[in-house]
Amino acid sequence: SQQGEEDPQALSIQEGENATMNCSYKTSINNLQWYRQNSGRGLVHLILIRSNEREKHSGRLRVTLDTSKKSSSLLITASRAADTASYFCATDPSGNTPLVFGKGTRLSVIA
Amino acid sequence: EAEVAQSPRYKITEKSQAVAFWCDPISGHATLYWYRQILGQGPELLVQFQDESVVDDSQLPKDRFSAERLKGVDSTLKIQPAELGDSAMYLCASSLSGNPDTEAFFGQGTRLTVV
Repeated sequence: SQQGEEDPQALSIQEGENATMNCSYKTSINNLQWYRQNSGRGLVHLILIRSNEREKHSGRLRVTLDTSKKSSSLLITASRAADTASYFCATDPSGNTPLVFGKGTRLSVIA
Repeated sequence: EAEVAQSPRYKITEKSQAVAFWCDPISGHATLYWYRQILGQGPELLVQFQDESVVDDSQLPKDRFSAERLKGVDSTLKIQPAELGDSAMYLCASSLSGNPDTEAFFGQGTRLTVV
């Protein structure tokens, strides 16, 4: 079963705009991770945020975590056509356990 | 840069036939996962290994699926007999053990089509 639920399911924006994706989950977590998947390829790790952290940055990526609402958001600033991909949140319920993935958000960045 | 190797990249098989996928994790990664991803969905865990031992195979359809990691390094996932509903991407991932805040590294996957 899948714990995470990304929103929206699909997002289309113009190059240069910001893209925001949200993730909601059901149970308590040790950490939450975001992954990117280009069409037909494997997943690539983007960023990990621990349950005791509220915000984290990596380049053009900003992730927030609200454990009281069991939700996270991924913001991609100044988007590029190369950011076109599916983005998944994955939760780690108790540390060193299998990641549980959501259904993903399909992002299209139009040049 | 070290990466998880999977083969084949694509496989087409007829229903009721047997099919096998191979995965070689990043050297030193004791934990290995097999995930199945149906088109348009997120990956779902099939089996997790810690070295050569199965840690979690609760979602593995054991009547037709089997997985092994005999020497605690590379792994094979087998389906026998394949069914139409098995068409999906099969992803292998590995991670370091002993650290709860660690990322999983994924291979490029095997795209299976059952006809």
